[in-house]
Amino acid sequence: GAVVSQHPSRVICKSGTSVKIECRSLDFQATTMFWYRQFPKQSLMLMATSNEGSKATYEQGVEKDKFLINHASLTLSTLTVTSAHPEDSSFYICSARESGRAFYEQYFGPGTRLTVT
Amino acid sequence: SQKIEQNSEALNIQEGKTATLTCNYTNYSPAYLQWYRQDPGRGPVFLLLIRENEKEKRKERLKVTFDTTLKQSLFHITASQPADSATYLCAVNYGGSQGNLIFGKGTKLSVKP
Repeated sequence: GAVVSQHPSRVICKSGTSVKIECRSLDFQATTMFWYRQFPKQSLMLMATSNEGSKATYEQGVEKDKFLINHASLTLSTLTVTSAHPEDSSFYICSARESGRAFYEQYFGPGTRLTVT
Repeated sequence: SQKIEQNSEALNIQEGKTATLTCNYTNYSPAYLQWYRQDPGRGPVFLLLIRENEKEKRKERLKVTFDTTLKQSLFHITASQPADSATYLCAVNYGGSQGNLIFGKGTKLSVKP
């Protein structure tokens, strides 16, 4: 149980284009989903927290107009990187917290490697 | 602000030995502290959680300690195996009970046969 999937696992896009990454909770309902970014040999950095049906809360320094988050259902959240640039190349990881579970229980997806050329 | 320090970027040990990884936090004592395993190109996998009022937690070959005086957690893998080779991340909560996590950079463990 408690499986989180991400799609795609890898994506290469050209500078200036937009990319959408999906995060799904496969066998549970997630009221809250988190989006992280991880650069090589660095820690996971929380970008934003999204609650189903409401606007995402972005961490300081994360541009909400550049990283669009939509948590439209209890099993799906999407992250759209708009007008991507090479410096956006990173490993993007989502996690999900099951409805009614302890606040510290998060299940992580396998990650999406984004490369912007 | 809270910072998480995992002092060793890499740790190499021989199979069968006990691996000990260190996690230090700099500010307030978190309500709980978690350890994750991350394999290359994969997301973190939860291993253990220890609360601030717990001194020690065990799960099979894993043991975690939490010393709020030293602001430190130790993560032990006994009878280590090459399959234990991975990066191990320490994480603590912040922002009260919201569940948002701060991660350390991780320690890459290599267990040699």
